[in-house]
Amino acid sequence: QAVVTQEPSFSVSPGGTVTLTCGLSSGSVSTSYYPSWYQQTPGQTPRTLIYNTNVRSSGVPDRFSGSILGNKAALTITGAQADDESDYYCALYMSSDTSLLGGGTKLTVL
Amino acid sequence: QLQLQQSGPGLVKPSETLSLTCTVSADSISRRGTYYWGWIRQPPGEGLEWIGNMYFGGGTYYNPSLKSRVTILGDTSKRQLSLKVNSVTASDTAVYYCVRLLRSGLYFFDYWGQGTVVTVSS
Repeated sequence: QAVVTQEPSFSVSPGGTVTLTCGLSSGSVSTSYYPSWYQQTPGQTPRTLIYNTNVRSSGVPDRFSGSILGNKAALTITGAQADDESDYYCALYMSSDTSLLGGGTKLTVL
Repeated sequence: QLQLQQSGPGLVKPSETLSLTCTVSADSISRRGTYYWGWIRQPPGEGLEWIGNMYFGGGTYYNPSLKSRVTILGDTSKRQLSLKVNSVTASDTAVYYCVRLLRSGLYFFDYWGQGTVVTVSS
């Protein structure tokens, strides 16, 4: 079974820009996998940030953006803020009508 | 605003069956083809793991690593989704989330239940 890969951790300075990536062990991630991104703070339910590669969910600030970079899906935060410190998860929709979730990236803002 | 209200025991003994229910606040549960309804879990201190999805009038799809022990069923008359995990062990200890996956060419989890903490222990 394929595995979704994410950086275990990342740090960014306040006001800085960071790009988190989402890869697939079996090959390249494309828009055909409908990549989506979720933010989770400790003890909270995940919140949808991005779907269908680059569509921001309702109420999500425009400093969050999604894209395909090379062979991976990417989540970019431009102008990071302290409350962006969270875990970020990528999900891919597979042609077999199954879903794959990445292990998550712990983002530190300092 | 759609709500997914989860219920079920928070403590299950090893080798027994974990059973959870998710009640959906709207009639959209029976809208065939538009939504999948499923479950995701998160062990303590770990990442999210997709368990499976189903859609009414169609099929049920499971994580291959859990398929032999998991059953997801739906009841449109009660607007409920259920999860059963057989022969549980300590590794099934997790927060379990009921989720809706919006199909319609978008395929993402747009609604989440509040989560249920399930501990497997004797």
